[in-house]
Amino acid sequence: ETGVTQSPTHLIKTRGQQVTLRCSSQSGHNTVSWYQQALGQGPQFIFQYYREEENGRGNFPPRFSGLQFPNYSSELNVNALELDDSALYLCASSFPGQGTYEQYFGPGTRLTVT
Amino acid sequence: AQSVTQLDSQVPVFEEAPVELRCNYSSSVSVYLFWYVQYPNQGLQLLLKYLSGSTLVKGINGFEAEFNKSQTSFHLRKPSVHISDTAEYFCAVTPTSGSRLTFGEGTQLTVNP
Repeated sequence: ETGVTQSPTHLIKTRGQQVTLRCSSQSGHNTVSWYQQALGQGPQFIFQYYREEENGRGNFPPRFSGLQFPNYSSELNVNALELDDSALYLCASSFPGQGTYEQYFGPGTRLTVT
Repeated sequence: AQSVTQLDSQVPVFEEAPVELRCNYSSSVSVYLFWYVQYPNQGLQLLLKYLSGSTLVKGINGFEAEFNKSQTSFHLRKPSVHISDTAEYFCAVTPTSGSRLTFGEGTQLTVNP
């Protein structure tokens, strides 16, 4: 069974640029959630995708957007990057129908905005 | 809305000593509770979860936690820690109607020889 994978591992961007982060969910999981973890803080919920539709959003501006594909993999896009977007971005997959409510996290993508 | 407060940002202990990491939560709806561990430069790994039933739940690596509904707490304990337990620990909740996790700020557990 393959776990959650994320790419790239590290990324450096300049303020104002755009970035795309990718996530492959664990086999059989149809739900993907994205979290932002700033240095020294707990993860903050960005949004969740279920069967290719956005299924809940946290307190993040519209320049944070996402996609989920038919194979349940997902992308997180951030436009007009700001310095405060520097963080570890975590993807988590789950299968709510199993009734376990457990989310399986990937290793994260470390984004640095200069 | 939910909120989670981890009462200690840093907990230093000696190897083989017991440890308790404290977590309180606030929610207007029923929630499920989780503890995750994060090792340096890694993602989050689930230690244990409370969904229903017995209020004492056992997890991996010898950790356990007790759910106290009246005190809205979910403290994590281990009777004897190892150097390898050094990591950041996060308490999290999700409403029973959904799967959006709300995390605390984390507790850095440092186990010294």
